[in-house]
Amino acid sequence: GAVVSQHPSWVICKSGTSVKIECRSLDFQATTMFWYRQFPKQSLMLMATSNEGSKATYEQGVEKDKFLINHASLTLSTLTVTSAHPEDSSFYICSASSRAFDNEQFFGPGTRLTVL
Amino acid sequence: AQSVAQPEDQVNVAEGNPLTVKCTYSVSGNPYLFWYVQYPNRGLQFLLKYITGDNLVKGSYGFEAEFNKSQTSFHLKKPSALVSDSALYFCAVRDMGSYQKVTFGTGTKLQVIP
Repeated sequence: GAVVSQHPSWVICKSGTSVKIECRSLDFQATTMFWYRQFPKQSLMLMATSNEGSKATYEQGVEKDKFLINHASLTLSTLTVTSAHPEDSSFYICSASSRAFDNEQFFGPGTRLTVL
Repeated sequence: AQSVAQPEDQVNVAEGNPLTVKCTYSVSGNPYLFWYVQYPNRGLQFLLKYITGDNLVKGSYGFEAEFNKSQTSFHLKKPSALVSDSALYFCAVRDMGSYQKVTFGTGTKLQVIP
């Protein structure tokens, strides 16, 4: 149990386009979902925390208008990178948690975004 | 504020030898502590966690970790390393009183040499 999926697993796009990444909790209802960004050979940086049905809480320094997060249901959250630029190229990882699992975070497999 | 330190960027160990990956933490309250492993271009895989109880926690793939409150440490150990254990390991902490926010260490690359 407690499986989290992400789609797509990798994406290549042109500069200026928008990219949407989906995060799904497959076998549980996630009250909270988290989005992380990981640069090569670095740790995970929390970008934002989202609760179903409410606005995401962004970490300091993360542009809300750049990284749009929607948490429309208890099993789905999306991250849209708007007007992507090469510096947005990174590995994006989501996680999901539930009070049923003592709020432990379960991580998705990640999405590799490359902006040309 | 909570923080995690992984003092070693890389640990090299010969196959069959015991391994230790170090982690120290700082929280204001009681900690939840975690170890995760990451293979190239993959997400994080959960290895083990400490919440309360026994200071020695056993996890997946033969890994274990020892919680030491006085030294604020949570080192990851395995009695006999495998080449397939080569990966990036992250220690993480959550303050029991905090709203779920987990802080990750910078990661330690484990290289098991055949």
